[in-house]
Amino acid sequence: EAGVTQSPTHLIKTRGQQATLRCSPISGHTSVYWYQQALGLGLQFLLWYDEGEERNRGNFPPRFSGRQFPNYSSELNVNALELEDSALYLCASRGQTPYEQYFGPGTRLTVT
Amino acid sequence: GDSVTQMEGPVTLSEEAFLTINCTYTATGYPSLFWYVQYPGEGLQLLLKATKADDKGSNKGFEATYRKETTSFHLEKGSVQVSDSAVYFCALTGGYQKVTFGTGTKLQVIP
Repeated sequence: EAGVTQSPTHLIKTRGQQATLRCSPISGHTSVYWYQQALGLGLQFLLWYDEGEERNRGNFPPRFSGRQFPNYSSELNVNALELEDSALYLCASRGQTPYEQYFGPGTRLTVT
Repeated sequence: GDSVTQMEGPVTLSEEAFLTINCTYTATGYPSLFWYVQYPGEGLQLLLKATKADDKGSNKGFEATYRKETTSFHLEKGSVQVSDSAVYFCALTGGYQKVTFGTGTKLQVIP
């Protein structure tokens, strides 16, 4: 069974640009979570999508947004990039088990 | 809100030494508790979990016991190996919602 996949592996953008990150969940999983792992700040919850709807978001500005497609894959968009957005962005998916999330390898976003 | 506090690293141990990484939590209700591991350059992997008080999670020689009375979930391993070098995250979740992570503890095992 394939795990959670994310693309691209690395992404380099300049300040003010937009970044789009993609995530494909494990087959059969309907929930997708996004986390930001910035240096020195640990893992911070960004967004949760389930059945195509945004269910919850963390304490991030509106320029962080996303969506979930009918096939349950998900996209995270970051507009008006700032230097401090440089981080590893992790996607996780969850099936019917309420607490078990499976993580992808992440996308390393670098903003210069 | 929910929070997880874990000991700061880095922790440096010699091979075959005993490992303890402390973790305490604050949460409403009865959360499930986890330890995740992140090897260099990789994403997070679930190491072990416990879903109710007094449960012991174990995997790959690592153990942690859900202690409700002390709100703790300390990670232990009797004999660490070089291959255990990684960052370890304690975490909790109330169920369908987000996972709340600790800040991570970097473990370095030297031969």
